[in-house]
Amino acid sequence: SQTIHQWPATLVQPVGSPLSLECTVEGTSNPNLYWYRQAAGRGLQLLFYSVGIGQISSEVPQNLSASRPQDRQFILSSKKLLLSDSGFYLCAWDPSGLDNSPLHFGNGTRLTVT
Amino acid sequence: TQLLKQSPQFLSIQEGENLTVYCNSSSVFSSLQWYRQEPGEGPVLLVTVVTGGEVKKLKRLTFQFGDARKDSSLHITAAQPGDTGLYLCAGARFTAGNKLTFGGGTRVLVKP
Repeated sequence: SQTIHQWPATLVQPVGSPLSLECTVEGTSNPNLYWYRQAAGRGLQLLFYSVGIGQISSEVPQNLSASRPQDRQFILSSKKLLLSDSGFYLCAWDPSGLDNSPLHFGNGTRLTVT
Repeated sequence: TQLLKQSPQFLSIQEGENLTVYCNSSSVFSSLQWYRQEPGEGPVLLVTVVTGGEVKKLKRLTFQFGDARKDSSLHITAAQPGDTGLYLCAGARFTAGNKLTFGGGTRVLVKP
């Protein structure tokens, strides 16, 4: 069966510090991978998605970047965090090439920038 | 502006009551999904509706996709405290490569 791991679960970082959040998927190959950000108790905003190694699409201009160094690894990064980067970050995957397939989410990382 | 608008944003009811959550848009979707999210966890899929006018039932939950595939509703009958959570609708559009767009969510609190 497929599983998705996201870490860390919580993170407190000072403004101006770098960020690296990691997400890995097991039990599937060539998944589509996604990074979402969620404001408290609200909907999800798509930040990045990837259909393959090294292929990253950005949905919104921002202070963050993403990379996919391996087929089942997706990393969210920042060189210098801003206060506005605080939020709940969710990684998700779905199988490529299938219509209407659901997203499978990790348990998220709650980032607080102080 | 939000492509998918959910209403209400927050709903507090007593155990045993019924509730309906709405998800509306001016855009047509190829499919629409409903998720439920618990605090500190990722959303989990409840159902996917694909055909206009489609109705799907999941125990006490009834999901409907509008005839024009622009809106959807979630109805819960005889709500229980275990139904408490954030309900999210998400639509896929052909013109967006079928990437999902999420609504703003409806927080449901069922009090015992």
